[in-house]
Amino acid sequence: EDKVVQSPLSLVVHEGDTVTLNCSYEVTNFRSLLWYKQEKKAPTFLFMLTSSGIEKKSGRLSSILDKKELFSILNITATQTGDSAVYLCAVTVQYNNNDMRFGAGTRLTVKP
Amino acid sequence: SQTIHQWPATLVQPVGSPLSLECTVEGTSNPNLYWYRQAAGRGLQLLFYSVGIGQISSEVPQNLSASRPQDRQFILSSKKLLLSDSGFYLCAWSQGLARGQFFGPGTRLTVL
Repeated sequence: EDKVVQSPLSLVVHEGDTVTLNCSYEVTNFRSLLWYKQEKKAPTFLFMLTSSGIEKKSGRLSSILDKKELFSILNITATQTGDSAVYLCAVTVQYNNNDMRFGAGTRLTVKP
Repeated sequence: SQTIHQWPATLVQPVGSPLSLECTVEGTSNPNLYWYRQAAGRGLQLLFYSVGIGQISSEVPQNLSASRPQDRQFILSSKKLLLSDSGFYLCAWSQGLARGQFFGPGTRLTVL
């Protein structure tokens, strides 16, 4: 059975801190891993990772994939209160463009 | 640019009543369309996906059904709601997952 596990489930930090969110997966025929940020409503796309060791970066957010150890991390540096959200990890599989398996998410709270 | 609409935003329904949630996409043609449910504190669960008009695949057996009467319209329905149907329902679209899936604003359904 395919599994996507995120940790921690919940995290509280202060502004300026750096956080690392984890996503591990066990799927057959891995294709890609995606990170989403969900604030009050719909998730918004952050990154798609397909190759090991290549860091994707957008401002203070960065992510990297390790296909050997089957995990990805999402880093957020110099956190701000606007980073407070649930961060979702999802995995897609080969041969099935319609299959995305989501983790339960990490709820990040950034306090001023 | 592409946009995705869902309505209603919030819905409170009694047990046993019917349901119809609508999702429409603008600015793209022949998208893949998806319905997800997100229960409190849990990840997104894929309910249905569609690769074209009249083509519906179900991921989870339940009392919900989906229809795609037009290329950019996706409808989630139920004849009789259960308490367990409460949750946050998200519609999403993609073009072959090359850039991930893009989510609508969601509908929060409460069944009493």
